[in-house]
This record gives sequence, structure tokens and C-alpha cells, in this order.
Amino acid sequence: GAGVSQSPSNKVTEKGKDVELRCDPISGHTALYWYRQRLGQGLEFLIYFQGNSAPDKSGLPSDRFSAERTGESVSTLTIQRTQQEDSAVYLCASTSQGSSGNTIYFGEGSWLTVV
Amino acid sequence: GNSVTQMEGPVTLSEEAFLTINCTYTATGYPSLFWYVQYPGEGLQLLLKATKADDKGSNKGFEATYRKETTSFHLEKGSVQVSDSAVYFCALTGSGGYNKLIFGAGTRLAVHP
Repeated sequence: GAGVSQSPSNKVTEKGKDVELRCDPISGHTALYWYRQRLGQGLEFLIYFQGNSAPDKSGLPSDRFSAERTGESVSTLTIQRTQQEDSAVYLCASTSQGSSGNTIYFGEGSWLTVV
Repeated sequence: GNSVTQMEGPVTLSEEAFLTINCTYTATGYPSLFWYVQYPGEGLQLLLKATKADDKGSNKGFEATYRKETTSFHLEKGSVQVSDSAVYFCALTGSGGYNKLIFGAGTRLAVHP
């Protein structure tokens, strides 16, 4: 597609439920990222996929968070047993592999509210 | 590890004032440096970037110069507009083709008429 696409754009869920957030990166982009942005705060790195390498999961805040990526396409971020502190915008981004100076493109985010 | 530090906001300016938002970084090797902007209600978008020392990134009247000697990438604009009101994020990716993007905390800019 033309840009990074995320769904759902908005999600309200009850505490304790599981949620899945989806990201479709730009076609041909081998690197994909997930970030979290709480209201009024900066971006927290969550996880990074690059090609066939093992993902960098160093930013996942707890074992309730996991992410998968199918080949070089869609990624799903799963949050199990959601808590109120999980409320945030979850941003996905992608770039082509190679030079570290490549522009990284962001989706518009999935707004998650846990009530 | 790599990190980015940027000045705390909010920064409040009158229209046509000069803007500087400071950004310094810690990184091994030769990182690439970026400024991203987030306008109210919109997604994050790249404003400008520089990939090697002494490079100057520029876009929409904004400029930033990659200064390796001071490990800085300060954002400047000579005359701000109300439409520049947004949150600005300084960021870097490490050298060696590893593209993990590390952000500063963001600086909110409010420009008043």
C-alpha cells in the first residue's frame, strides 16, 4: 500500500481482556517496529523485526505483550489480560533494510483504551 | 546504549519568533539523526534528517546540523508560524545498518499569533 496501515484505529476494551493490533507495512519494507505512546509522553520502543533476523524484543514491558510477523508483511501486536496502564497509542513503522539513514515511516496508530 | 536528550517543553513563542529546540545524543559510531513532528491529532512524520557529520537537514524552513564534536542536532527555524505548533521529537538510528529508532522525550511547541 501507499503507507503503513494500522487497525483498528480505535479500540476500547475491558480490563482483563486480550487485544490484537494489526500493522500492514509499506510493501517491500523489511524492517518493522512497534512503539507505544502514552498520552502526553514520548515514544517507547517495544519490538523491532528486521528481515529474517531474530526480533529485538528488548522493549516489551511484560510477558503480557507479544508480537509476530509473517514473513516480510503483516505484524500483530497482542496484549493479554489488558490493564489500564496499557491505554496508549500503539504506533507501527516500517523501513527498507540496509542503511541506517533510511527514512522510517509511521502509521497513524491504534488508540487503545482499557476501561 | 544509544540515547537522545532534548530540551523539555513546552516552548511558547509568538509568531515570527526564532525557534531553537536543543537535542544531544549518545551513540557509538556514526548514527543517523532525525527530527520527527507530530501535529495535533495527526500521526508522526519525518521533518528532516542527516546521515553524516556536518550534514544539514532542512524542510519547511526548519534546519538542523549534525555536529559530531558536540554530539548535537539542534532544530532551528528563523520565523515560526502558528501552524508550526506541534510536538517535535529528536531521534537516532545506530550505525551498521541496524535501524532501531530511538526517540527523545519530545518538545511541545505552541506558537501564538
